[in-house]
Amino acid sequence: DIQMTQSPSSLSASVGDRVTITCRASQSIGDSLNWYQQKPGMAPNILIYGTSTLQSGVPSRFSGSGSGTDFTLTINSLQPEDFATYHCQQSSSVPPYTFGQGTRVEI
Amino acid sequence: HLQLQESGPGLVKSSETLSLTCSVSGGSISGATSYWAWVRQAPGKGLEWLGSIYNTGNDYYNPSLQRRATISVDTSKNQFSLKLTSATAADTAIYYCATHTSTMTTRYFDSWGQGTLVTVSS
Repeated sequence: DIQMTQSPSSLSASVGDRVTITCRASQSIGDSLNWYQQKPGMAPNILIYGTSTLQSGVPSRFSGSGSGTDFTLTINSLQPEDFATYHCQQSSSVPPYTFGQGTRVEI
Repeated sequence: HLQLQESGPGLVKSSETLSLTCSVSGGSISGATSYWAWVRQAPGKGLEWLGSIYNTGNDYYNPSLQRRATISVDTSKNQFSLKLTSATAADTAIYYCATHTSTMTTRYFDSWGQGTLVTVSS
């Protein structure tokens, strides 16, 4: 199985900050990397697929980059509604689809 | 816009079978081109994909479940279901049903149910 490792596990930030979350795959996954946002008590919500394509309706302050084994989710000018947990997920070598352990963004 | 809703017992006894159903509205489960999936999240943990099925019945599962999982589709009821045999405390989690969509380069989970907590107790 491909292992996905996110860093950091949690971070503290303020409104207006630029936040960067990293996801590393245990082997190359090309650009088959997706990002989700999950708020407490709710299901995950797709933010970015295929490394860098924003899902319809997702604000442009979110962006994704990377390829191979190293990927980044960036949130420019953090907003109050962005405080959540973010998960990466690979679909290169399945089964199984695998997720990172999550990164909690808090104040 | 597809809506998914999980249902099933919130408490399962250890060694018994965990059974959940996902009801789909806003579209036909047999007419869609997506795969139908189950994903779970143990308390305070990350997400774990359990398995997926196409409306033709083609299915695949997470090997970590050691063949305990079966997903099936009921097109007459517009539902799909998960059965997980020999449940243990390690199966205690929030269970989500979801769809996943393919692009040229990736497959991602684009519609999710709200999730249902299942506790396995002895």
